[in-house]
Amino acid sequence: DTAVSQTPKYLVTQMGNDKSIKCEQNLGHDTMYWYKQDSKKFLKIMFSYNNKELIINETVPNRFSPKSPDKAHLNLHINSLELGDSAVYFCASRQGIYGYTFGSGTRLTVV
Amino acid sequence: DAKTTQPPSMDCAEGRAANLPCNHSTISGNEYVYWYRQIHSQGPQYIIHGLKNNETNEMASLIITEDRKSSTLILPHAPLRDTAVYYCIVSAGGSEKLVFGKGMKLTVNP
Repeated sequence: DTAVSQTPKYLVTQMGNDKSIKCEQNLGHDTMYWYKQDSKKFLKIMFSYNNKELIINETVPNRFSPKSPDKAHLNLHINSLELGDSAVYFCASRQGIYGYTFGSGTRLTVV
Repeated sequence: DAKTTQPPSMDCAEGRAANLPCNHSTISGNEYVYWYRQIHSQGPQYIIHGLKNNETNEMASLIITEDRKSSTLILPHAPLRDTAVYYCIVSAGGSEKLVFGKGMKLTVNP
């Protein structure tokens, strides 16, 4: 069983479109995250939810909207996609002081 | 900004121990030292973490200095597949975010 699963794995879309990336974790963790890794390979946090509640919202354009229907799911919706949104997006979950478990990533390409 | 500094890269020979250093001189008393690695474009993988005692698990050993200002990740008998970018991160745990720096590229050579 995959602990943190993201779908889709690859996403190619045109500028201006709206797209969603889904994330599910079966670890029973309370906290979930979205990270973005750009072409320079820097990993930056975007959002964090704890038990469905938003607790971290970095300076991310409001075209990005996370949604957590329950503590096992954290989805990322992106409106009006721009070329600069092309990146790999990683979902992760965590419990307490233990290490994060990351998903395998969604490679988003905006053309 | 990342609170740790690591050398940008390191090589080691296959089957030998790899000692990966990390400086975290501004670490707070409630912060743990975490190590992750990222193999190619896969998701980062948790390796180990510690507060002040040395730790060992099936993947690696973590040695933290007594003053907690630096640590060393030891990969025993590194196989080729340990080639990756290794990140040393300090974090208080709980819901606190992990701030990734540039990491250190370890290349295990045949």
